[in-house]
Amino acid sequence: AQTVTQSQPEMSVQEAETVTLSCTYDTSESDYYLFWYKQPPSRQMILVIRQEAYKQQNATENRFSVNFQKAAKSFSLKISDSQLGDAAMYFCAYRRRDDKIIFGKGTRLHILP
Amino acid sequence: DVKVTQSSRYLVKRTGEKVFLECVQDMDHENMFWYRQDPGLGLRLIYFSYDVKMKEKGDIPEGYSVSREKKERFSLILESASTNQTSMYLCASSFIWDSVSLTFGSGTRLTVV
Repeated sequence: AQTVTQSQPEMSVQEAETVTLSCTYDTSESDYYLFWYKQPPSRQMILVIRQEAYKQQNATENRFSVNFQKAAKSFSLKISDSQLGDAAMYFCAYRRRDDKIIFGKGTRLHILP
Repeated sequence: DVKVTQSSRYLVKRTGEKVFLECVQDMDHENMFWYRQDPGLGLRLIYFSYDVKMKEKGDIPEGYSVSREKKERFSLILESASTNQTSMYLCASSFIWDSVSLTFGSGTRLTVV
């Protein structure tokens, strides 16, 4: 069964610094999608970034980038120049072959002014 | 702006009550999902629907049922609410040809007393 593991329940970073959130997953599939979602205090889940497993190039969206290591089944999120608005719960997610998306337990990110 | 609307932001119900959680999307999405979010457990899929009157069980369907009579509306039903169903419930939707891009509602926090 596919699983998604986020080993850091909470993290803190100083404003303007860089932080990396870890995610590992387990699958026997060769083609799949991975995601990072952000949930701010408003509770609205927002897609931050997505990665297709067949693409070797790491996805980037402005200050957000991923380090996708397919062989190691690792999918970390790097946030550069952290801003107060980045404070949120971050969820790593995996799309299964049956189109269902499963989520990790989340990492709460605190931004220190 | 496209939206997934959940009818209640907060809900308090008594044990044994029949509870309806409503979700409406205005994007003509085929796929609709109900997730449950609990601290330390992340998001867990309850039910999934890929078309009107079609449904599939997710990972934790026990104690829940769903209804999809119209494309835009997906209801989650707790036949007899119990205290262990106190949780945050998130609805999401996506196009069937782009199931990777989920759009979420802002959640219903249900308390069963």
